[in-house]
Order: sequence, then C-alpha cells, then structure tokens
Amino acid sequence: DQQVKQNSPSLSVQEGRISILNCDYTNSMFDYFLWYKKYPAEGPTFLISISSIKDKNEDGRFTVFLNKSAKHLSLHIVPSQPGDSAVYFCAAVPSSNTGKLIFGQGTTLQVKP
Amino acid sequence: GAGVSQTPSNKVTEKGKYVELRCDPISGHTALYWYRQSLGQGPEFLIYFQGTGAADDSGLPNDRFFAVRPEGSVSTLKIQRTERGDSAVYLCASSPSGTGNTGELFFGEGSRLTVL
Repeated sequence: DQQVKQNSPSLSVQEGRISILNCDYTNSMFDYFLWYKKYPAEGPTFLISISSIKDKNEDGRFTVFLNKSAKHLSLHIVPSQPGDSAVYFCAAVPSSNTGKLIFGQGTTLQVKP
Repeated sequence: GAGVSQTPSNKVTEKGKYVELRCDPISGHTALYWYRQSLGQGPEFLIYFQGTGAADDSGLPNDRFFAVRPEGSVSTLKIQRTERGDSAVYLCASSPSGTGNTGELFFGEGSRLTVL
C-alpha cells in the first residue's frame, strides 16, 4: 500500500519557466511533509518542508503547497535552472514520530537550457 | 568531510553470503536511520536508532537483517544469507536529537549492494 505517491516519473521544463512537481498521500496522520532532491551517486538532500497545519511554505525559488482536503502536495520551482535537474522525492512524517519517513517513488526533473 | 560517511560504496557478493555495511554519522547526531532504495523507487525505511538503542526496527524485512550501534555513533547493517532481492542502495542518515521528528535528515551517499 503506497501511502505517498508521485504519479509522474519524469518532467521536462525549459530554463526560466516554472516546474511543478506533485505528490498525493492517502493517510491523514502525517505531521510534516518534505521534499528531498537527489543527484546521481549522491544521497538525498533536504530541500523544503511544510507542517500539516500550514498550507504554504516558501524558501527562495522553492514553494511547497499543501492541500489537506485533497491530500495533495506540490513543489513549485520558479525560475527553473539547469542545476535543478535531479530526482525529487516527496516524503511524509507520521504522527507517531519515530523518525520513519515515508517516501514517494520520485520524479526526475530535467531543466533544459 | 563532515557529512555522513558510508562504506563500502559498492559491494558485490554471491547469493548466500554475509554482508556488513557501515555508517559513520555526523558528529554529535544522536539519531541514525537506515533506508533501502530499490531501482525506480523511493527510499524505504528499515530501522531508526536513538543513541545506542533501536527505537523502531519495524522496517527490517526479515530476520536476516540486523543492525547495531553499540557506542551510539557508528552503525553497522548486517545481512545474512543474502538473496538477489536484497540488491539495492542502502542509505544511512543522521539527525540531531529533536529535528528528526520534522523529517530533516542528512543522508550519506549510500552503499550499493549487488547480490549475484
């Protein structure tokens, strides 16, 4: 049972345009949602997070939106840069707070110059 | 560097063999996590240590998998009687006590295990 889903395996955008990565979840008992970014042969690195009591969090070019009624999370990157090309993972932290993150399958973003 | 260090970076073994994967967390981080990432999937939780004790080992797939952290720093993931299905990248992460609850983890580069 996949509790966190990223239904788009890949996304390609032009440099300077907006990238929108989507994530859906099935369990309402999550405290935080996060986005991690992963380059080849490297471990995932934390990008941005949002508490379940918020609906938006912004950090520079990155904004995460949370729609609890739709159980939907999205990451907006504006403007997109070629260095943003990577795999992006959505992740959720259960309310039980054990340190267990539940990850989506990932979306590969390619930003074309 | 000062990041999470994992060794070996690559390990090729034969079915049925025993394997150990090592993780050296960021100095001062009391929480340590092991995840497994199969091809085309996101990382999958295995086990979480707070200090020396395993606070949550619910992700270990079966009793062939075991992990220790005897002094609250370095951790070793041990896999007995390896199977081809164990082939994956094994990721270790750490976090300072308290921030792990928000999901902000610091990952190593992973150990790629291939079981022939």
